[in-house]
Amino acid sequence: DAGITQSPRHKVTETGTPVTLRCHQTENHRYMYWYRQDPGHGLRLIHYSYGVKDTDKGEVSDGYSVSRSKTEDFLLTLESATSSQTSVYFCAIQGNTGELFFGEGSRLTVL
Amino acid sequence: GQNIDQPTEMTATEGAIVQINCTYQTSGFNGLFWYQQHAGEAPTFLSYNVLDGLEEKGRFSSFLSRSKGYSYLLLKELQMKDSASYLCAPYGGATNKLIFGTGTLLAVQP
Repeated sequence: DAGITQSPRHKVTETGTPVTLRCHQTENHRYMYWYRQDPGHGLRLIHYSYGVKDTDKGEVSDGYSVSRSKTEDFLLTLESATSSQTSVYFCAIQGNTGELFFGEGSRLTVL
Repeated sequence: GQNIDQPTEMTATEGAIVQINCTYQTSGFNGLFWYQQHAGEAPTFLSYNVLDGLEEKGRFSSFLSRSKGYSYLLLKELQMKDSASYLCAPYGGATNKLIFGTGTLLAVQP
């Protein structure tokens, strides 16, 4: 067990509403990542963090923001959700040998 | 930029051997990961190759050729539970970003 949890696991919301997904780790790892996964596209990197208050964009960052105010938490925010952001979101932490450990995923539906 | 290519789908028979290929082009490279993902679940780590050659881990082996930008995952003695998506992910460059291919959906038939 890699000690990573995501919340909420499932969420249904309406277009235009803000949404925040939380990723929590108990491993004290420096690097954390947010991916989305959609049929035909695989896992695509949204944002990642390399330390407290240190974040950078991934492949598909438009419409998303992140924050990392402490080592254990990495938040993903959709300021104004759109239907194109309906997806499964995975958080991951990077272990000491470089491998990623994934959370169980958060399924978001935007109506 | 990065370009990762792997077959979309493959079918194999229980007890057989299957090889899943991955070719990649990256701006920097430290190594290559393979992950397994069952439907509705999170990806799980299978292997990490840094050096050229074959690394064996039980029924699963992974091969890397850095000069050719090529890797494969070899699954032996296939079992029904091996039906899953297999994701290739080159790693490295100026950042610690791990970029995934779209994955190969393997169906194991009786």
